[in-house]
Amino acid sequence: AQSVTQLDSHVSVSEGTPVLLRCNYSSSYSPSLFWYVQHPNKGLQLLLKYTSAATLVKGINGFEAEFKKSETSFHLTKPSAHMSDAAEYFCVVSGRNQGGKLIFGQGTELSVKP
Amino acid sequence: DARVTQTPRHKVTEMGQEVTMRCQPILGHNTVFWYRQTMMQGLELLAYFRNRAPLDDSGMPKDRFSAEMPDATLATLKIQPSEPRDSAVYFCASGLGTGGLTDTQYFGPGTRLTVL
Repeated sequence: AQSVTQLDSHVSVSEGTPVLLRCNYSSSYSPSLFWYVQHPNKGLQLLLKYTSAATLVKGINGFEAEFKKSETSFHLTKPSAHMSDAAEYFCVVSGRNQGGKLIFGQGTELSVKP
Repeated sequence: DARVTQTPRHKVTEMGQEVTMRCQPILGHNTVFWYRQTMMQGLELLAYFRNRAPLDDSGMPKDRFSAEMPDATLATLKIQPSEPRDSAVYFCASGLGTGGLTDTQYFGPGTRLTVL
């Protein structure tokens, strides 16, 4: 069975400083992994996805994530935070052979201070 | 700019009433998912369809929830009778799928349901 664990429920950074949101996964198969972002009262938007190609995945808005099989991690990073990055971020694994249903982490709320 | 649409965006109803939520997937997508988001449970899958046929509805309370796809452009999620514990945001997502996989899922804006 697949699962994801987001290690921090809340992360606070200052504008212009790096962002690190941590995610560990568990999967019996080579997983498909995603990061989604949800701004307040909005739907979920795909930031990036990993599907067994390059281990360093670049997404929108300057975000990237690195797949590390040895550490079963898929941490999300951004070199310099912007105020508009404040949102909830979800690490997600896709259930292989289950139609592709998504299994969500509990989310990390990112706050960005001026 | 293709996107998933959901109606209504907000719904307030009284316990015992029937609630119907609608979703229009992105044209050409053959897989539709219904998710529910609450503070306590986070995001959880309720049901999903491939080519309009239900593939998995194990996440859905069977006695009061039902999901259908009358045609390829409309998915519905119905609650009858509704209960206060059903208060949540319900998201629809669509994607292209084959076999056991679905490509990227695109989410609608959600329906915020409040049952009094």
